[in-house]
Amino acid sequence: KQEVTQIPAALSVPEGENLVLNCSFTDSAIYNLQWFRQDPGKGLTSLLLIQSSQREQTSGRLNASLDKSSGRSTLYIAASQPGDSATYLCAVSKGNQAGTALIFGKGTTLSVSS
Amino acid sequence: GAVVSQHPSWVICKSGTSVKIECRSLDFQATTMFWYRQFPKQSLMLMATSNEGSKATYEQGVEKDKFLINHASLTLSTLTVTSAHPEDSSFYICSARPSGGGRTDTQYFGPGTRLTVL
Repeated sequence: KQEVTQIPAALSVPEGENLVLNCSFTDSAIYNLQWFRQDPGKGLTSLLLIQSSQREQTSGRLNASLDKSSGRSTLYIAASQPGDSATYLCAVSKGNQAGTALIFGKGTTLSVSS
Repeated sequence: GAVVSQHPSWVICKSGTSVKIECRSLDFQATTMFWYRQFPKQSLMLMATSNEGSKATYEQGVEKDKFLINHASLTLSTLTVTSAHPEDSSFYICSARPSGGGRTDTQYFGPGTRLTVL
């Protein structure tokens, strides 16, 4: 059974810091991995999607890496801003084929102070 | 593009009543939709996979007779919580996978429905 773990559960940083969020998963047979952002009481915003054959994806100040063999992914946020404060969720496909649901971690709640 | 809506965004009901939640893909067709549930401070947990024109596939521990799923068209899936109880109070989120999938197999999530059962 696939399990997704995110460390740390919460993180507080001052504005401008670079930071890394960690995600690990127990079964390396995945189709893709996604990082999402969730604001309190809101739905999900997709940040980055990494196919199982890829090593990393970048979007603006965000960079996500994937090491499928070791079951790990990191989300790097550069020059953090107060607007980055949210919960960040890591999710992997339920299997190694397209069209499956996602298995989510519990998230890392980030607070960036000005 | 690729917008998914949910209705209602929040609902409060009395214990024992039934509540229907709609999930619509507004600008694409979705053969497959997924229903998730999120309790406070917890992650999203998959409840069921909804396929257009066929019966939903439920995850272990999810009662199919309590959580009725209907996916009657390529743009609409509904989740009905029957005889709701306070323990069913949660945040329900759907996602939709565009028909054909595409290379990246992206899913698009709705904004969620907050259900409170009194």
